[in-house]
Amino acid sequence: GAGVSQTPSNKVTEKGKYVELRCDPISGHTALYWYRQSLGQGPEFLIYFQGTGAADDSGLPNDRFFAVRPEGSVSTLKIQRTERGDSAVYLCASSLDSTRTYEQYFGPGTRLTVT
Amino acid sequence: AQKITQTQPGMFVQEKEAVTLDCTYDTSDQSYGLFWYKQPSSGEMIFLIYQGSYDEQNATEGRYSLNFQKARKSANLVISASQLGDSAMYFCAMRSFNNNDMRFGAGTRLTVKP
Repeated sequence: GAGVSQTPSNKVTEKGKYVELRCDPISGHTALYWYRQSLGQGPEFLIYFQGTGAADDSGLPNDRFFAVRPEGSVSTLKIQRTERGDSAVYLCASSLDSTRTYEQYFGPGTRLTVT
Repeated sequence: AQKITQTQPGMFVQEKEAVTLDCTYDTSDQSYGLFWYKQPSSGEMIFLIYQGSYDEQNATEGRYSLNFQKARKSANLVISASQLGDSAMYFCAMRSFNNNDMRFGAGTRLTVKP
């Protein structure tokens, strides 16, 4: 079946601009996660959704970052007033639900470059 | 706070030999899960193996096994019979059952030599 998809695969934007990154989870997966991976590092947790609500947004670095999942499926990560330090690969993952034993399936990521 | 440490930035192994990738973690939680992921140069994160903190037996999945030593807070990944396609970054991760964020280590780059 189809895996997690993310669009766009690459995004180049100028400092100060607004960007939206989209994630389509695996059908039927209720839990959705966003991570940021900087070069040479492991993924860093940003936010987690269970259904439509953000159950844990403690990883969002500041109020320029926001994410929504209005219908409990597709999610959009929104970054306002982008800064060069936001450049990274943004990974989305989904799992069957939020219980402990279910592994997360990752998408291919969106590489964001802020110039 | 949870912390995952992978002390080997890079490892080399000869094809067909076994290799152990180290992972230690720090948590005050009693209930948690440990995961290993593989990230090839293409960038996707591939789930390999899971170990629950209350599981008494070490997890195994094909050529992957997890050497879980709870008292030492270590969860090393053992890959047996290495293949050229195993060359990739490997990340150890932990998720506490009290929350849902997954913490990852910095990764180990494994290179399998023919």
